[in-house]
Amino acid sequence: GAVVSQHPSRVICKSGTSVKIECRSLDFQATTMFWYRQFPKQSLMLMATSNEGSKATYEQGVEKDKFLINHASLTLSTLTVTSAHPEDSSFYICSARDRTGLTYGYTFGSGTRLTVV
Amino acid sequence: AQSVAQPEDQVNVAEGNPLTVKCTYSVSGNPYLFWYVQYPNRGLQFLLKYITGDNLVKGSYGFEAEFNKSQTSFHLKKPSALVSDSALYFCAVIFSNSGYALNFGKGTSLLVTP
Repeated sequence: GAVVSQHPSRVICKSGTSVKIECRSLDFQATTMFWYRQFPKQSLMLMATSNEGSKATYEQGVEKDKFLINHASLTLSTLTVTSAHPEDSSFYICSARDRTGLTYGYTFGSGTRLTVV
Repeated sequence: AQSVAQPEDQVNVAEGNPLTVKCTYSVSGNPYLFWYVQYPNRGLQFLLKYITGDNLVKGSYGFEAEFNKSQTSFHLKKPSALVSDSALYFCAVIFSNSGYALNFGKGTSLLVTP
């Protein structure tokens, strides 16, 4: 089946530095990639939607200059947390929608636990 | 307003008993409904979805869900729970004009005791 590889699975960074999270669709073309953020024992909050070759669409309240999303190819999307602060510590999950679209197939990465110290 | 709700924070059930995890929704247009399961520090695993067709949807690991249009519900069910079913369950809906993003309920923690 469809697989989305998300790396790194865990990262600890110092406050003020930037962190890049990658999501790759391994055996299908991801027309659209969604990025979510999840706080402990809470639901997934949609951060942004990115279509290959286009600028990402951010949800209300999400700082686009802090959370940079790039979707340069049909198999790779990246989320860069810039100038990270402790409040950015969270679990980030990507989800790829395959090119067929009508089947509404969504595949999730395994998530990245970001800790900012 | 469009929404998805999981009214229960936690569901407890004894192993071997049937389980139900509830989900209700409000959408403009046709509802596209999904159930996912999440184990600690992991991504989401797809269980089943309703796009169109039969109201009873069968999915992975013995789970099924019933789409009820009049009650705007999509409850997840399993006839006989396993301890290994203990996890966090999310109902998700595609809202119209949302770019096909999945919008998740708050999640329900299922605990199956031996």
